[in-house]
Amino acid sequence: DTAVSQTPKYLVTQMGNDKSIKCEQNLGHDTMYWYKQDSKKFLKIMFSYNNKELIINETVPNRFSPKSPDKAHLNLHINSLELGDSAVYFCASSQGGPHEQYFGPGTRLTVT
Amino acid sequence: SQQGEEDPQALSIQEGENATMNCSYKTSINNLQWYRQNSGRGLVHLILIRSNEREKHSGRLRVTLDTSKKSSSLLITASRAADTASYFCATDEVNTGFQKLVFGTGTRLLVSP
Repeated sequence: DTAVSQTPKYLVTQMGNDKSIKCEQNLGHDTMYWYKQDSKKFLKIMFSYNNKELIINETVPNRFSPKSPDKAHLNLHINSLELGDSAVYFCASSQGGPHEQYFGPGTRLTVT
Repeated sequence: SQQGEEDPQALSIQEGENATMNCSYKTSINNLQWYRQNSGRGLVHLILIRSNEREKHSGRLRVTLDTSKKSSSLLITASRAADTASYFCATDEVNTGFQKLVFGTGTRLLVSP
């Protein structure tokens, strides 16, 4: 029983393409997040949704658009992919306040 | 907000030895958390210490927090090869919005058999 799952695990695509990453959590949490981890392992929050409502939107290019169809799902769509978008993207979830977050296995995006 | 700094960046020890990692941060916090990341995997929550706590234990883990120095340490006692991973501190900063964690730069721990 995977708590937080992401698909796909690997994504290789060319510059200019549009791609989506999907995330699902079965923990019943009300808050979900997208993080980006670069090649130096720096992990930075991109977006956060609470009960399907966007509550955190860091300085992220407009090419990135999150969508939360329900509390259990948070997808990330990226338009016009650039080389600098290559990274590992993690989805996470938590319940309520500043408690522990549960992370998915990550999606390694490589833009060529 | 600025990313926390962790020290050392890398640590190599033998099984059975203790490992100590330090984290420094810059702003006031609600709590500080430690996470472990095995190679190619997602992060796993280890322990949370609140701003009004000074020390917390969980199994072989011991975390301290000094809010006056804006620093925390993670001690892993009697290390095992399976402890090999990257360790990150994360701060839940005051007045930076809802449930936002700021992660440190991480310490890579290698435990040799």
